[in-house]
Amino acid sequence: GAVVSQHPSWVICKSGTSVKIECRSLDFQATTMFWYRQFPKQSLMLMATSNEGSKATYEQGVEKDKFLINHASLTLSTLTVTSAHPEDSSFYICSVRGSNQPQHFGDGTRLSIL
Amino acid sequence: AQRVTQPEKLLSVFKGAPVELKCNYSYSGSPELFWYVQYSRQRLQLLLRHISRESIKGFTADLNKGETSFHLKKPFAQEEDSAMYYCALKLTGGGNKLTFGTGTQLKVEL
Repeated sequence: GAVVSQHPSWVICKSGTSVKIECRSLDFQATTMFWYRQFPKQSLMLMATSNEGSKATYEQGVEKDKFLINHASLTLSTLTVTSAHPEDSSFYICSVRGSNQPQHFGDGTRLSIL
Repeated sequence: AQRVTQPEKLLSVFKGAPVELKCNYSYSGSPELFWYVQYSRQRLQLLLRHISRESIKGFTADLNKGETSFHLKKPFAQEEDSAMYYCALKLTGGGNKLTFGTGTQLKVEL
């Protein structure tokens, strides 16, 4: 069964809107959660790493004020795309990792900004 | 900087034929390598990792440090093997971050 629940799976919204994506670890306490972005026919690009109770670590080139990450508990992390624009349209995927566990991935969220 | 290269975007083989999906990496430290698979309309899932030295669904992969490769192999392809395959490198001491290759689409034809 699914280890990670990611919601919503698909969202379409107008330019300027802020969108929140949730990632939940269902089977274990996720000490670390990762957020990836995937453009069509390209690989997954790590955006940020978040550990419960601390600030997320962003990869080079990722705007932390644009992509707000909150990891308030060991089972929930959220990614908020603030003031989204068409160029933010992409596939966003989260993954979770517990102690001595490999990464488990969510189903992803397809974000379309009109 | 670390990098993972999968030179083939698409690999098409006939059912029963051998399969080899290529993966090369560059990393100055001690690498930990993985193969992930994504079947149509499904999530990305771990297929195998080099430290386990196991065979999953008939697939094996051996880490060759001399050639900096971690090719994925299967002696006889099956139709259900058709999927997208990603090679990934985990940095030791790097916060468990994964660097992914660009992926290879495997298509097994009848």
